[in-house]
Amino acid sequence: DTAVSQTPKYLVTQMGNDKSIKCEQNLGHDTMYWYKQDSKKFLKIMFSYNNKELIINETVPNRFSPKSPDKAHLNLHINSLELGDSAVYFCASSQDGRGNSPLHFGNGTRLTVT
Amino acid sequence: GNSVTQMEGPVTLSEEAFLTINCTYTATGYPSLFWYVQYPGEGLQLLLKATKADDKGSNKGFEATYRKETTSFHLEKGSVQVSDSAVYFCALSLQGAQKLVFGQGTRLTINP
Repeated sequence: DTAVSQTPKYLVTQMGNDKSIKCEQNLGHDTMYWYKQDSKKFLKIMFSYNNKELIINETVPNRFSPKSPDKAHLNLHINSLELGDSAVYFCASSQDGRGNSPLHFGNGTRLTVT
Repeated sequence: GNSVTQMEGPVTLSEEAFLTINCTYTATGYPSLFWYVQYPGEGLQLLLKATKADDKGSNKGFEATYRKETTSFHLEKGSVQVSDSAVYFCALSLQGAQKLVFGQGTRLTINP
């Protein structure tokens, strides 16, 4: 009954590979997000979707392509992985994406590119 | 632009000590303010929030007051426990902005 679940928890891969991270929320929320957390714990938004529609794309390289098949899912596909992509990626959701709706986070996917 | 600045960590305290983690913000408008906590190996969890000036958010003994005049939202707890050891993030969100802007996080360690 996890609210926001993402898989896999750990992902180790080589440079140049393509990988995907999946995210699902069972909260009935309209808005979903991907955040990237670097090694210094700094969190930065990558994308947000509202009802399957892309709302925010924060100057993320186009090697990163989010896909939202329905409002409960937001997957992240990464092409041609680079060393600098190593980070923890968090999926999150919120009720409606308005300013005072809190975010619910998944437990993160630690991506290591070697 | 919109930004959040937190006090540099790490912060190390003894159990039952008083905690303050400073947070100030810059925003074009009237943001909602949040504190999130991240325990080891987990995602962030909402700790408390305040949506307008002079509001006080509180949860699990933690408090923070939205101070518009000083653009601050400092986190306080009167008596910390070992289980409070975590990374704490201050964040803001503007109405309709569809995203949170986070501070850099403050790692807190409580020793028995």
